[in-house]
Amino acid sequence: QQQVKQSPQSLIVQKGGISIINCAYENTAFDYFPWYQQFPGKGPALLIAIRPDVSEKKEGRFTISFNKSAKQFSLHIMDSQPGDSATYFCAASRPGSARQLTFGSGTQLTVLP
Amino acid sequence: SAVISQKPSRDICQRGTSLTIQCQVDSQVTMMFWYRQQPGQSLTLIATANQGSEATYESGFVIDKFPISRPNLTFSTLTVSNMSPEDSSIYLCSVDSVRGEQFFGPGTRLTVL
Repeated sequence: QQQVKQSPQSLIVQKGGISIINCAYENTAFDYFPWYQQFPGKGPALLIAIRPDVSEKKEGRFTISFNKSAKQFSLHIMDSQPGDSATYFCAASRPGSARQLTFGSGTQLTVLP
Repeated sequence: SAVISQKPSRDICQRGTSLTIQCQVDSQVTMMFWYRQQPGQSLTLIATANQGSEATYESGFVIDKFPISRPNLTFSTLTVSNMSPEDSSIYLCSVDSVRGEQFFGPGTRLTVL
């Protein structure tokens, strides 16, 4: 019930291409879905997040698509750049005073120049 | 977003010893969280620390092994006790914002010999 499944494990994209990372969840109580970007030796940085009352959220080159009925959400990185090469984690949390995050397994993205 | 610092940034410790990791936030926050990230893996929540009350531990983590203090609204410590090589990980603290977003510190990279 707490699991968030993320795919693919690794992704290689050419510069200028679109990177797509997918996540699926089981617990229908989840109501907040953030994506984090982590560079080697750094802590995860919040990239973009969505709540289930909308199906899409866009911030710059980053877009989250959300499908509530399928319990799936995805991150799209448009015009991918070598500087986007990092590990990306999806996560989910439930309502409450303490919003513990359940993380996906991570996707290592490499953008080739 | 909150500015979070952790000390030490990294350490190499001997088996059987203990290490206390400090987490400092530049603003008052209600909840602080401690996560573990094993090499090449995702993040796993260790415990939630609410100021003025005992920390709440996740399944698989116990207070004797990972005692936590939360003396005020800007500071917390996590101690890794009686360490073994299996405790070699990155330990991360995070905080909630009033909007429900969660921000992470830079992490403490622990190696146990």
